[in-house]
Formats: sequence, structure tokens, C-alpha cells
Amino acid sequence: IAGITQAPTSQILAAGRRMTLRCTQDMRHNAMYWYRQDLGLGLRLIHYSNTAGTTGKGEVPDGYSVSRANTDDFPLTLASAVPSQTSVYFCASSEGLAESSYNEQFFGPGTRLTVL
Amino acid sequence: AQSVTQLDSHVSVSEGTPVLLRCNYSSSYSPSLFWYVQHPNKGLQLLLKYTSAATLVKGINGFEAEFKKSETSFHLTKPSAHMSDAAEYFCVVSGNDMRFGAGTRLTVKP
Repeated sequence: IAGITQAPTSQILAAGRRMTLRCTQDMRHNAMYWYRQDLGLGLRLIHYSNTAGTTGKGEVPDGYSVSRANTDDFPLTLASAVPSQTSVYFCASSEGLAESSYNEQFFGPGTRLTVL
Repeated sequence: AQSVTQLDSHVSVSEGTPVLLRCNYSSSYSPSLFWYVQHPNKGLQLLLKYTSAATLVKGINGFEAEFKKSETSFHLTKPSAHMSDAAEYFCVVSGNDMRFGAGTRLTVKP
């Protein structure tokens, strides 16, 4: 593994179902992030984590939850999916903390999720 | 609070001609600014970043950007476009969080 991996690559999901998007990094970065990308809106931050055991809310956290049990993994869960959660989801990581303005973030390849 | 506005949703140039992608920002802090590129069905890759050092920043693949505080701008330029430059470009402002612009899609015509 080199960098950030995400799984699945794409998924079609029925509304009301539960779904977990997986993210793993091998760079031993401190901070990890989940974004959603929607046409005309750029990327919007859903949740972030500065270290194992801590998480924080981003710009659009409603309907999503995250956990950070260890340094490498940062899964994103949709407890009961709705069509408005149809989007492309990107996981990212940075060596520095989320609040640091100097951070370069490294991105995974994305998960394309469709909720019907 | 901070925000970023990419002034063009789509830019089309001919191969070999200059590229200009415009970005204005708003920030209460002394921000860091980034440009990321996203090729189709790929994740985002850092092109360059400004972090309060030199105002003219050089990045990968011949791109550069100039930080102009008086104009609150951070426009991305390249002297000569290549077909492989066709992608989506995002301007990002970072203070205590990161805010992404809506993106500019660059098309390069042969």
C-alpha cells in the first residue's frame, strides 16, 4: 500500500440502508478527513480526526459518523442513507493537525456512492 | 470565517497557449493557499502552495501562482498548455480549516 486507499470504489445503495466507507493510510499521518464532492460545490468537509480516539465535525456532518480506533483507519458510516447523500466521497490525510494552516493534504481515489 | 471563489467554472484554451485560472479568497487570518488538480476519476493532487514565504510560487508541471494580498487573489498560470493539463482545478484557502473553491474545469484543444 502506498498513500491512501478507499473501498469500495463505487456503490449503489437503497435508501434507508446502512453503509460504511473504508479509508486506510500508510503514511502514519496524524490527521484524517472525509469530504464529499458535489458538482459546483467543490469539496466540503464532513468529519475529521487529529489523532486516534478523537474526531471533529466539519461543514456538513449531519447523517454521517466516523471513528478513529487507530492511526491508519478512518471509516465513514451512513446510518440510514438518503438520496441527498449521493456523491463522491474522498478520504484525505495530513501530517499536521487539522487546525494547522500549513497542511498539505493527501487524497485517496474516492468512492462514488449512489443512493436510490 | 474564510471562503474562496473561483471566478470561472470552465476555461478552454488551445494547446501551446497560456493558461490563467482565477481565484479570489477571503480570510480573517493570514492564510495559506493551495491549488490542487483532479484528473478524471482520480483523487486530488497538490500543484503548489503559498505559506507566507515568496509571493510567487512555483509548482509541478510548469504551473505557478502569485499571491497578491492587496487584490486577495491567488491566480494560477502556465505559459504553455499541454493536452495532459486538461483536468479540474481547485483553489483552497486554509486558516483554521480548509475551504475549497467550486473548481475550474480546464479544457485543452489540439
